Amino acid sequence: AQKVTQAQTEISVVEKEDVTLDCVYETRDTTYYLFWYKQPPSGELVFLIRRNSFDEQNEISGRYSWNFQKSTSSFNFTITASQVVDSAVYFCALSATGSARQLTFGSGTQLTVLP
Amino acid sequence: DVKVTQSSRYLVKRTGEKVFLECVQDMDHENMFWYRQDPGLGLRLIYFSYDVKMKEKGDIPEGYSVSREKKERFSLILESASTNQTSMYLCASSPGQGRYQETQYFGPGTRLLVL
Repeated sequence: AQKVTQAQTEISVVEKEDVTLDCVYETRDTTYYLFWYKQPPSGELVFLIRRNSFDEQNEISGRYSWNFQKSTSSFNFTITASQVVDSAVYFCALSATGSARQLTFGSGTQLTVLP
Repeated sequence: DVKVTQSSRYLVKRTGEKVFLECVQDMDHENMFWYRQDPGLGLRLIYFSYDVKMKEKGDIPEGYSVSREKKERFSLILESASTNQTSMYLCASSPGQGRYQETQYFGPGTRLLVL
């Protein structure tokens, strides 16, 4: 069975602060994929990043960065210098090869960036 | 860019009505999915399809059926709508092959209210 845990239900920060969203996963598969999605108030889930289990390199894209650590089964997401437009619900998800077409989602973290 | 469209953003139906939710993707993706999203319960997979006329049950298929007669179109059917099916419905598609085969791309969602 697979599981994704996002322990932070809600986070509030003031604009320009850095914020890290935590994601911990469980799977017995050795090959798997991890994802982050953003859901703004409009409702559509926007794909942010995909990472496979063999690639532990951290990734940076503008103000976004991701820290993947297999040793702790974590795939954390950091937003640097947060902006009001970053306010959204962020979901972490896992796809393992045993059920390659399905995603297991975490419960999401509501991020509010205050001006 | 991947484009997934859903027939309605908002829908209001009466209990007992038959409801059709349509989803179309324009990227020749193999796989298509239907989720529902409820506060506190996250995203739950209803059905998915990995080929035309093929379908598999997800975690909560009861009360729903699906149809995939053409590759680009995946319909979710509520045979007899009930108030507990009031929810946000999200459609997604994924390539099914290639480097990003499991990455799911989502439509804007349909907010269904059953009275």
